[in-house]
Amino acid sequence: NAGVTQTPKFRVLKTGQSMTLLCAQDMNHEYMYWYRQDPGMGLRLIHYSVGEGTTAKGEVPDGYNVSRLKKQNFLLGLESAAPSQTSVYFCASRALAANEQFFGPGTRLTVL
Amino acid sequence: KNQVEQSPQSLIILEGKNCTLQCNYTVSPFSNLRWYKQDTGRGPVSLTIMTFSENTKSNGRYTATLDADTKQSSLHITASQLSDSASYICVVSGVWGKLQFGAGTQVVVTP
Repeated sequence: NAGVTQTPKFRVLKTGQSMTLLCAQDMNHEYMYWYRQDPGMGLRLIHYSVGEGTTAKGEVPDGYNVSRLKKQNFLLGLESAAPSQTSVYFCASRALAANEQFFGPGTRLTVL
Repeated sequence: KNQVEQSPQSLIILEGKNCTLQCNYTVSPFSNLRWYKQDTGRGPVSLTIMTFSENTKSNGRYTATLDADTKQSSLHITASQLSDSASYICVVSGVWGKLQFGAGTQVVVTP
Protein backbone atom coordinates (compact mmCIF):
# COMPACT_ATOMS: atom_id res chain seq x y z
CA ASN A 1 0.00 0.00 0.00
CA ALA A 2 1.99 2.99 -1.30
CA GLY A 3 -0.62 5.65 -0.41
CA VAL A 4 -0.27 8.72 -2.63
CA THR A 5 2.63 8.84 -5.07
CA GLN A 6 3.74 11.63 -7.38
CA THR A 7 5.98 11.66 -10.41
CA PRO A 8 8.35 13.22 -11.14
CA LYS A 9 9.96 14.38 -7.88
CA PHE A 10 11.85 17.23 -9.53
CA ARG A 11 11.64 18.97 -12.86
CA VAL A 12 13.17 22.02 -14.51
CA LEU A 13 11.35 23.60 -17.45
CA LYS A 14 12.00 26.50 -19.73
CA THR A 15 9.32 29.16 -20.15
CA GLY A 16 6.75 28.01 -22.67
CA GLN A 17 7.39 24.29 -22.29
CA SER A 18 4.64 21.91 -21.29
CA MET A 19 4.57 19.02 -18.86
CA THR A 20 2.25 16.72 -16.94
CA LEU A 21 2.50 15.80 -13.29
CA LEU A 22 1.08 12.44 -12.31
CA CYS A 23 -0.60 11.61 -9.03
CA ALA A 24 -1.62 8.06 -8.17
CA GLN A 25 -3.38 6.68 -5.09
CA ASP A 26 -4.06 3.07 -4.17
CA MET A 27 -6.58 3.72 -1.38
CA ASN A 28 -9.67 3.77 -3.61
CA HIS A 29 -10.35 7.37 -2.59
CA GLU A 30 -13.07 9.33 -4.35
CA TYR A 31 -11.63 12.80 -3.89
CA MET A 32 -8.31 13.99 -5.26
CA TYR A 33 -6.65 17.41 -5.09
CA TRP A 34 -3.77 19.37 -6.54
CA TYR A 35 -2.14 22.10 -4.41
CA ARG A 36 0.81 24.36 -4.81
CA GLN A 37 3.01 25.46 -1.92
CA ASP A 38 5.01 28.68 -2.10
CA PRO A 39 7.34 30.17 0.53
CA GLY A 40 5.54 32.10 3.25
CA MET A 41 2.12 31.00 2.04
CA GLY A 42 -0.26 28.23 2.89
CA LEU A 43 -1.05 25.51 0.40
CA ARG A 44 -3.43 26.74 -2.28
CA LEU A 45 -5.87 24.54 -4.14
CA ILE A 46 -5.41 24.44 -7.91
CA HIS A 47 -8.00 21.89 -9.05
CA TYR A 48 -9.82 19.01 -7.49
CA SER A 49 -11.91 16.01 -8.45
CA VAL A 50 -14.84 14.39 -6.66
CA GLY A 51 -14.75 11.25 -8.76
CA GLU A 52 -13.64 9.60 -11.96
CA GLY A 53 -14.39 11.78 -14.96
CA THR A 54 -15.10 14.94 -12.95
CA THR A 55 -12.89 17.92 -12.19
CA ALA A 56 -13.42 21.38 -10.74
CA LYS A 57 -11.46 24.59 -10.31
CA GLY A 58 -9.92 25.53 -7.02
CA GLU A 59 -8.49 28.78 -5.76
CA VAL A 60 -5.68 29.25 -8.33
CA PRO A 61 -6.59 27.30 -11.50
CA ASP A 62 -5.24 29.64 -14.19
CA GLY A 63 -2.49 28.12 -16.34
CA TYR A 64 -3.29 24.55 -15.28
CA ASN A 65 -5.50 21.78 -16.58
CA VAL A 66 -6.38 18.45 -15.01
CA SER A 67 -7.85 15.12 -15.95
CA ARG A 68 -9.24 12.18 -13.96
CA LEU A 69 -9.73 9.41 -16.49
CA LYS A 70 -9.14 6.69 -13.91
CA LYS A 71 -10.20 6.79 -10.27
CA GLN A 72 -6.69 6.18 -9.02
CA ASN A 73 -4.95 8.82 -11.16
CA PHE A 74 -5.15 12.61 -11.23
CA LEU A 75 -3.05 14.44 -13.80
CA LEU A 76 -1.99 18.09 -13.62
CA GLY A 77 -0.92 19.72 -16.87
CA LEU A 78 0.93 22.91 -17.63
CA GLU A 79 0.46 23.80 -21.29
CA SER A 80 2.86 26.74 -21.40
CA ALA A 81 4.95 27.02 -18.26
CA ALA A 82 5.71 30.42 -16.75
CA PRO A 83 8.24 31.38 -14.05
CA SER A 84 5.29 32.17 -11.74
CA GLN A 85 4.52 28.46 -11.74
CA THR A 86 7.78 27.66 -10.00
CA SER A 87 6.55 25.95 -6.86
CA VAL A 88 6.21 22.69 -5.01
CA TYR A 89 3.12 20.78 -6.10
CA PHE A 90 1.29 18.41 -3.79
CA CYS A 91 -1.39 15.93 -4.62
CA ALA A 92 -3.80 14.68 -1.96
CA SER A 93 -6.69 12.27 -1.76
CA ARG A 94 -9.43 11.44 0.70
CA ALA A 95 -12.24 8.98 1.08
CA LEU A 96 -15.82 10.03 0.45
CA ALA A 97 -17.01 10.13 4.06
CA ALA A 98 -13.72 11.02 5.71
CA ASN A 99 -12.20 14.30 6.85
CA GLU A 100 -8.54 13.53 6.46
CA GLN A 101 -6.60 14.18 3.29
CA PHE A 102 -3.50 12.12 2.56
CA PHE A 103 -0.71 13.94 0.79
CA GLY A 104 1.89 12.78 -1.68
CA PRO A 105 5.60 13.61 -1.30
CA GLY A 106 5.45 16.59 -3.69
CA THR A 107 6.99 17.62 -7.00
CA ARG A 108 9.44 20.50 -7.04
CA LEU A 109 9.07 22.39 -10.31
CA THR A 110 11.35 25.18 -11.47
CA VAL A 111 10.48 27.23 -14.54
CA LEU A 112 13.37 29.25 -15.95
CA LYS B 1 -5.81 38.23 3.67
CA ASN B 2 -5.19 34.69 4.83
CA GLN B 3 -8.01 33.44 6.98
CA VAL B 4 -5.57 31.29 8.96
CA GLU B 5 -2.67 33.02 10.68
CA GLN B 6 0.07 31.12 12.50
CA SER B 7 2.68 32.32 14.93
CA PRO B 8 5.54 32.36 15.36
CA GLN B 9 6.85 31.97 11.82
CA SER B 10 9.76 29.99 13.15
CA LEU B 11 11.30 28.96 16.43
CA ILE B 12 14.35 27.15 17.73
CA ILE B 13 14.13 25.03 20.86
CA LEU B 14 16.50 22.81 22.78
CA GLU B 15 15.93 19.08 22.73
CA GLY B 16 13.79 18.05 25.67
CA LYS B 17 12.06 21.41 26.05
CA ASN B 18 8.39 22.15 25.43
CA CYS B 19 6.94 24.63 22.96
CA THR B 20 3.56 25.97 21.89
CA LEU B 21 2.49 27.05 18.43
CA GLN B 22 -0.46 29.35 17.80
CA CYS B 23 -3.15 29.44 15.14
CA ASN B 24 -5.80 32.15 14.78
CA TYR B 25 -8.49 31.85 12.16
CA THR B 26 -11.41 33.81 10.77
CA VAL B 27 -13.00 31.00 8.74
CA SER B 28 -16.72 30.99 9.37
CA PRO B 29 -18.79 28.92 9.53
CA PHE B 30 -16.31 26.44 10.89
CA SER B 31 -16.34 22.65 10.64
CA ASN B 32 -13.03 21.34 11.93
CA LEU B 33 -9.41 22.26 12.54
CA ARG B 34 -6.41 20.09 11.82
CA TRP B 35 -2.74 20.25 12.58
CA TYR B 36 -0.32 18.74 10.08
CA LYS B 37 3.40 18.04 10.38
CA GLN B 38 5.48 18.52 7.26
CA ASP B 39 9.05 17.24 7.23
CA THR B 40 11.46 18.90 4.82
CA GLY B 41 10.91 17.58 1.31
CA ARG B 42 7.82 15.59 2.27
CA GLY B 43 4.08 16.02 2.15
CA PRO B 44 2.05 17.08 5.21
CA VAL B 45 0.98 14.33 7.60
CA SER B 46 -2.03 14.70 9.89
CA LEU B 47 -1.39 15.02 13.63
CA THR B 48 -4.80 15.91 15.04
CA ILE B 49 -8.26 16.90 13.92
CA MET B 50 -10.85 18.62 16.11
CA THR B 51 -14.45 19.52 15.46
CA PHE B 52 -16.01 22.68 16.88
CA SER B 53 -17.29 20.75 19.92
CA GLU B 54 -13.86 19.45 20.94
CA ASN B 55 -11.39 21.58 22.86
CA THR B 56 -8.42 19.26 23.14
CA LYS B 57 -6.92 16.34 21.26
CA SER B 58 -3.66 14.50 21.88
CA ASN B 59 -1.40 12.41 19.69
CA GLY B 60 1.56 11.19 21.72
CA ARG B 61 3.66 14.20 22.69
CA TYR B 62 1.49 16.52 20.60
CA THR B 63 -1.55 18.17 22.21
CA ALA B 64 -3.85 20.48 20.28
CA THR B 65 -6.37 22.81 21.89
CA LEU B 66 -9.24 24.67 20.32
CA ASP B 67 -11.28 27.65 21.50
CA ALA B 68 -14.03 28.03 18.91
CA ASP B 69 -15.37 31.15 20.63
CA THR B 70 -12.13 33.10 20.19
CA LYS B 71 -11.20 31.22 17.01
CA GLN B 72 -7.83 30.17 18.37
CA SER B 73 -5.95 26.90 18.44
CA SER B 74 -2.60 25.88 19.80
CA LEU B 75 -0.30 22.91 19.33
CA HIS B 76 1.85 21.98 22.30
CA ILE B 77 4.91 19.79 21.82
CA THR B 78 6.14 18.13 25.01
CA ALA B 79 9.72 17.01 25.61
CA SER B 80 10.81 17.87 22.08
CA GLN B 81 12.97 15.47 20.09
CA LEU B 82 15.22 16.09 17.10
CA SER B 83 12.64 14.37 14.91
CA ASP B 84 10.15 17.10 15.78
CA SER B 85 12.08 19.49 13.53
CA ALA B 86 9.52 20.25 10.83
CA SER B 87 6.92 22.73 9.67
CA TYR B 88 3.60 22.57 11.51
CA ILE B 89 0.58 23.64 9.53
CA CYS B 90 -2.81 24.66 10.87
CA VAL B 91 -5.69 23.88 8.51
CA VAL B 92 -9.26 25.06 9.01
CA SER B 93 -12.23 23.55 7.21
CA GLY B 94 -15.44 25.43 6.53
CA VAL B 95 -18.74 23.57 6.55
CA TRP B 96 -18.60 23.04 2.79
CA GLY B 97 -15.31 21.18 3.14
CA LYS B 98 -13.09 23.90 1.73
CA LEU B 99 -9.71 23.89 3.47
CA GLN B 100 -7.80 27.04 4.42
CA PHE B 101 -4.12 26.46 5.14
CA GLY B 102 -1.89 28.50 7.38
CA ALA B 103 1.64 29.30 6.21
CA GLY B 104 3.11 27.08 8.90
CA THR B 105 5.51 27.43 11.82
CA GLN B 106 9.02 26.13 11.18
CA VAL B 107 10.34 24.36 14.29
CA VAL B 108 14.01 23.54 14.70
CA VAL B 109 15.02 21.33 17.61
CA THR B 110 18.71 21.55 18.49
CA PRO B 111 20.76 19.11 20.58
